Amino acid sequence: GESVGLHLPTLSVQEGDNSIINCAYSNSASDYFIWYKQESGKGPQFIIDIRSNMDKRQGQRVTVLLNKTVKHLSLQIAATQPGDSAVYFCAEDRGLSNFGNEKLTFGTGTRLTIIP
Amino acid sequence: EADIYQTPRYLVIGTGKKITLECSQTMGHDKMYWYQQDPGMELHLIHYSYGVNSTEKGDLSSESTVSRIRTEHFPLTLESARPSHTSQYLCASSELPGVGGYTFGSGTRLTVV
Repeated sequence: GESVGLHLPTLSVQEGDNSIINCAYSNSASDYFIWYKQESGKGPQFIIDIRSNMDKRQGQRVTVLLNKTVKHLSLQIAATQPGDSAVYFCAEDRGLSNFGNEKLTFGTGTRLTIIP
Repeated sequence: EADIYQTPRYLVIGTGKKITLECSQTMGHDKMYWYQQDPGMELHLIHYSYGVNSTEKGDLSSESTVSRIRTEHFPLTLESARPSHTSQYLCASSELPGVGGYTFGSGTRLTVV
């Protein structure tokens, strides 16, 4: 079946460096992608999203890149801070083309650790 | 802050007990979801609802049941808890597809002993 998978389960980055978290998806019909951050003991929190008609979107210190050709999604976090330590999930949604029947599919998650 | 609330945050209960996990949202969202998540693992959709009196089973089979009598309330019930039900249960809601994804609650961590 369709799945959203992450390449790396853990990632350690020195504070102040940039980090890149990757995600592969398998359903070419997916038209909306979201990155979530989940801190210990909390529910996932929306970080940034991107629609399939875009290949890049920037937020505050975060950038999401979408490569539809190879079905690849990445999250770049610039100038990492200790508060960035968390598990990051990518999720895909087919909602835009299937209004009323959208369900997010989540990947396994990558644990990002920022080293002081 | 997310306007979606789950209670209790933590629950330890004996095998065979009936439990209800509460989820309420004040955003007026029609769509609500329950996910099950083991520590450090992916989220698995177990139930969802697109509005009052609408409930559907998700991708992961679950012995739990849900109800949606009011827009703001989406409780999950386990008639007879077992140790295999030990997990974290996350509730979420959404408004429109392709707009900001889901808003999640803080979750209920359930331990069945």
